[in-house]
Amino acid sequence: GQQLNQSPQSMFIQEGEDVSMNCTSSSIFNTWLWYKQDPGEGPVLLIALYKAGELTSNGRLTAQFGITRKDSFLNISASIPSDVGIYFCAGMGIGSARQLTFGSGTQLTVLP
Amino acid sequence: DGGITQSPKYLFRKEGQNVTLSCEQNLNHDAMYWYRQDPGQGLRLIYYSQIVNDFQKGDIAEGYSVSREKKESFPLTVTSAQKNPTAFYLCASAARVSKNIQYFGAGTRLSVL
Repeated sequence: GQQLNQSPQSMFIQEGEDVSMNCTSSSIFNTWLWYKQDPGEGPVLLIALYKAGELTSNGRLTAQFGITRKDSFLNISASIPSDVGIYFCAGMGIGSARQLTFGSGTQLTVLP
Repeated sequence: DGGITQSPKYLFRKEGQNVTLSCEQNLNHDAMYWYRQDPGQGLRLIYYSQIVNDFQKGDIAEGYSVSREKKESFPLTVTSAQKNPTAFYLCASAARVSKNIQYFGAGTRLSVL
């Protein structure tokens, strides 16, 4: 199947720092999604992007849908301890099934 | 509360045994999905269903089976043919009216005894 390259694989940051992670694809997507997963739980939707160039915020989170439709990034500003978790990007392509292709995740650790 | 309920939270399988993971949703979503998650990897699609009494294989369907007899329910059976079943299993559902965004249950962790 399709592959998404998500980077970095892991990050260790100090509380209060900003964080940036991104995903790139060899294929075009019509929708980009960012999820957060806490240990032992299911992913929770953070931000959904529907148009190339779109920039969307959700509190301290900001995500962008790349102009080429092949990439997306997520920024977290002023990190706090509860930001710890795994962040996944997912792309949804054209087609009746509207399946998602997931990145391998970015493990975020926030140090006090 | 509306949502997606997966049960059990933890499940143990003996050698040669089939086990069934439950997924129920009360969101009136048409589509339902099963994913497998291994440490350090993204989610891989096992099976999906867009309508009752119909389902399709995903990328890693071998050793698994599903049914979709009711809109609300999409159980996954891990058969004895699945030789490496230890993983975290996630169920999701989606609706066209909400742009096919997938929402997830809390997952079932399956281990082999």
